[in-house]
Parts: sequence; structure tokens; C-alpha cells
Amino acid sequence: EAGVAQSPRYKIIEKRQSVAFWCNPISGHATLYWYQQILGQGPKLLIQFQNNGVVDDSQLPKDRFSAERLKGVDSTLKIQPAKLEDSAVYLCASSSYGGENEQFFGPGTRLTVL
Amino acid sequence: AQSVTQLGSHVSVSEGALVLLRCNYSSSVPPYLFWYVQYPNQGLQLLLKYTTGATLVKGINGFEAEFKKSETSFHLTKPSAHMSDAAEYFCAVSPGYNKLIFGAGTRLAVHP
Repeated sequence: EAGVAQSPRYKIIEKRQSVAFWCNPISGHATLYWYQQILGQGPKLLIQFQNNGVVDDSQLPKDRFSAERLKGVDSTLKIQPAKLEDSAVYLCASSSYGGENEQFFGPGTRLTVL
Repeated sequence: AQSVTQLGSHVSVSEGALVLLRCNYSSSVPPYLFWYVQYPNQGLQLLLKYTTGATLVKGINGFEAEFKKSETSFHLTKPSAHMSDAAEYFCAVSPGYNKLIFGAGTRLAVHP
């Protein structure tokens, strides 16, 4: 079974630029998550999708971050414009629907904002 | 609101020694508890989880954890450390609805 795929793996941008990350979850997983992991901290949930609907985006900085999950499969996370404090690893995870099912994580995208 | 505290951001042990990584949680409801491991440049991998039932939970790679409600703890242990155990370990609590709240992590170093 293929795991969660993310691209790019690394990205370096200047502040005020835009950037987008892509995630392809495990086939059949209805729930998709985006986490932000700042160096020295644990992952923090940014947004959770159930199929193509948003379940929780309470910690997503909506003035600059946006995410979508078209057709309930792939997802993109965008930052526009980026700030220095957005430097982090962005992790995508997916899980099957129902209960407390294991979340499977992708390798992450390491973003550096200069 | 749920929260997780991991005591010790860095732990160093000798190969073959006991590994003990500490996790305390705060939860207003019966918690679901998890330990994840993260190797360099990789995503997180589930080690073990506690939902209900037996309070001693066994996971992969010889790790286990015990849920102690009276102490609000879920410490991770392994009797004998191996060099390949060097990684970062995250404790997490779930308030339900498949959400996870992570601790800050503990980096485990294993030296010969």
C-alpha cells in the first residue's frame, strides 16, 4: 500500500512570496490533515478535511493560509504572502473514517522563508 | 482543553539501557493516548495507542506504555535501547473526532 505522498520536499522562498504544497493521501482515506511543525515543537493541526468538507480549521491563519481538497482526494495548502515565522515543516496525514483510527503521515515539506 | 507535557526535551541512554520517556496529559474526558516516532527527514509513525481496556499497551519495536489515570501519565518504555531507536518521540492525546494534540517531543540519543 502506497503511503501519503507530499511535494515538494523542500522549498526556500523570500518573505511576501507565495508557496503551495501538495498532498496525496492513502487511497480510500476519507480524512486528511495538514499540520505545521515548527522546529523544537510538536505538530500543530492547521486544518482537517472529511472527504472534501472542512471539519476543523480553527488554527489556520486564514488571512494568509488557504487549503482545498477537491474531489475528496488530493489536497493543496497555500501560503500567501509568507512570513518569516512560517518557516516550518508542513506535514500531511490521512486516516480512514470513524473511531480513533491511526493517522498516517507523509514525509513533510520543509519550508524556509528568508 | 486537552494538553500534553513531555518531560525532558532530550534524553540520552547507553545501548542496552532502559529507555523511559515521560508524558503527562490533561483531559476532561477519558483520553485516547498515542506515542509517535519521527526519524530524521521522515513523517511520524505510530508506535502504540491506548483507547480502552488493558492499561499496559505494547507497540512496535519493543516499546510499551502504561496508562495511569491517577497520575495522568502515559510513559513510554523499552527494556533495552538499540542504536536504531535514536529519533524524536511525540506523545499525543485525542479529544475525539480523530484529532491529535501533540506534546513538544523528546529527542532520544543512544550512544555505544
